[in-house]
Amino acid sequence: RKEVEQDPGPFNVPEGATVAFNCTYSNSASQSFFWYRQDCRKEPKLLMSVYSSGNEDGRFTAQLNRASQYISLLIRDSKLSDSATYLCVLRDSWGKLQFGAGTQVVVTP
Amino acid sequence: AAGVIQSPRHLIKEKRETATLKCYPIPRHDTVYWYQQGPGQDPQFLISFYEKMQSDKGSIPDRFSAQQFSDYHSELNMSSLELGDSALYFCASSAYREMNTEAFFGQGTRLTVV
Repeated sequence: RKEVEQDPGPFNVPEGATVAFNCTYSNSASQSFFWYRQDCRKEPKLLMSVYSSGNEDGRFTAQLNRASQYISLLIRDSKLSDSATYLCVLRDSWGKLQFGAGTQVVVTP
Repeated sequence: AAGVIQSPRHLIKEKRETATLKCYPIPRHDTVYWYQQGPGQDPQFLISFYEKMQSDKGSIPDRFSAQQFSDYHSELNMSSLELGDSALYFCASSAYREMNTEAFFGQGTRLTVV
């Protein structure tokens, strides 16, 4: 079993709709949680950090559920430009980064 | 702001040749990670360094070696290249003690082995 698991998708989302997906992790010692966005074979770029209390950045909302060991990302009012692969990234207590396989989101007109 | 610099951006090598990829982390970052991303795959962790010492090792083949230098830049040396080594190689850097801060990625080196 992989340490970080994501539904690979693709999630086909009509423009303007809401999409949400999760990332589950097995290492309970994971310290920090992030959502990165990766476009078409470019480098992953930080979308947002995920805090215990949940946090929102515009149309994006991230949640952390330590008890069930997952984080989630919700995108409201989807734009065509939101089409990308969303990577769940964790840092463990040793500082090592753990990647999910990514969830592909395709926003359609 | 300075970002993570990787060089070269593109590299074409023949089978059995060697290649050296370089990564220059963000200033004051002491940790460097190397990842390999094959076509249609998620990034696979290869190796990481903290303060010039190897801190963790992933799925790095024995044909590959890496090190971090006194100026914190890192080099990934790849020998006896195989067709399957064709991939995008990312380097990321972070500040080890700042656990709640993210890692930053370079733009990657696209290696093609022919």
